[in-house]
Amino acid sequence: DQQVKQNSPSLSVQEGRISILNCDYTNSMFDYFLWYKKYPAEGPTFLISISSIKDKNEDGRFTVFLNKSAKHLSLHIVPSQPGDSAVYFCAASAMETSGSRLTFGEGTQLTVNP
Amino acid sequence: GAVVSQHPSWVICKSGTSVKIECRSLDFQATTMFWYRQFPKQSLMLMATSNEGSKATYEQGVEKDKFLINHASLTLSTLTVTSAHPEDSSFYICSARTKGKGETQYFGPGTRLLVL
Repeated sequence: DQQVKQNSPSLSVQEGRISILNCDYTNSMFDYFLWYKKYPAEGPTFLISISSIKDKNEDGRFTVFLNKSAKHLSLHIVPSQPGDSAVYFCAASAMETSGSRLTFGEGTQLTVNP
Repeated sequence: GAVVSQHPSWVICKSGTSVKIECRSLDFQATTMFWYRQFPKQSLMLMATSNEGSKATYEQGVEKDKFLINHASLTLSTLTVTSAHPEDSSFYICSARTKGKGETQYFGPGTRLLVL
C-alpha cells in the first residue's frame, strides 16, 4: 500500500523556468510533510517542510503548497537552475499514530537544462 | 542545518562476514535515529527506529537478529549487518532527529554495501 505517491518519475525543465513537483497521499492522519533532494550515492538533503495547519510555506526559491482536501502537495522551484537537477522525494509523517516515522514517495528525477 | 555523518561511506565484504555502519549526529543530540535502505531506482525503505538507551523498533519484514542496531549515546547509532549475503548489498542511510529541531529528519550521506 503506497501511502505517498509521486506519479511522475521524471520532469525536465528549462533553466530559469518553474519546476513543479507533485505528491499525493492517502493517509488522512499525515500531519507533517517534507521535501528532500537526493543526488546519486548520497543521503537525502532536507529542503522544506510544511505542517498540516498551513497551506503554503516558502523558503527562497522553494515553495511547498498543501491541499489537504485533495491530499496533494507540490514543490515549486523558481527559477530553476541546473544545480537543482536531482531526485526529489516527498515524505509524510503522522505524529499521533506513528511518531516520527517518515513515509517516502518513489521520487521524481528533475533535470534542469541550461 | 544539522549534520549527520556515516562511516564507512562504502564497504565491500565477503559473504558471511559482519559489517558495522556508524551514524553520528555532529552538531546536535539525536534522541531518535532511523535506518533506511534504498535499492536502485526505488524509494527509501525504513528498516528500524532507535531511541537512545532503548531497543530499536523494527519494521515488518526486517530481521532484528540480522540487522543489529545499537543507539548507545545521543550522538551515535550503529547498524551491524550480521552474516552478510549478496542480497544484503544495498545503500544504507541513517537519519536523526531531535525535539529541538521539530519533526525534520536529517540524513547521513549513506553507506554503499557490496557483499561478494
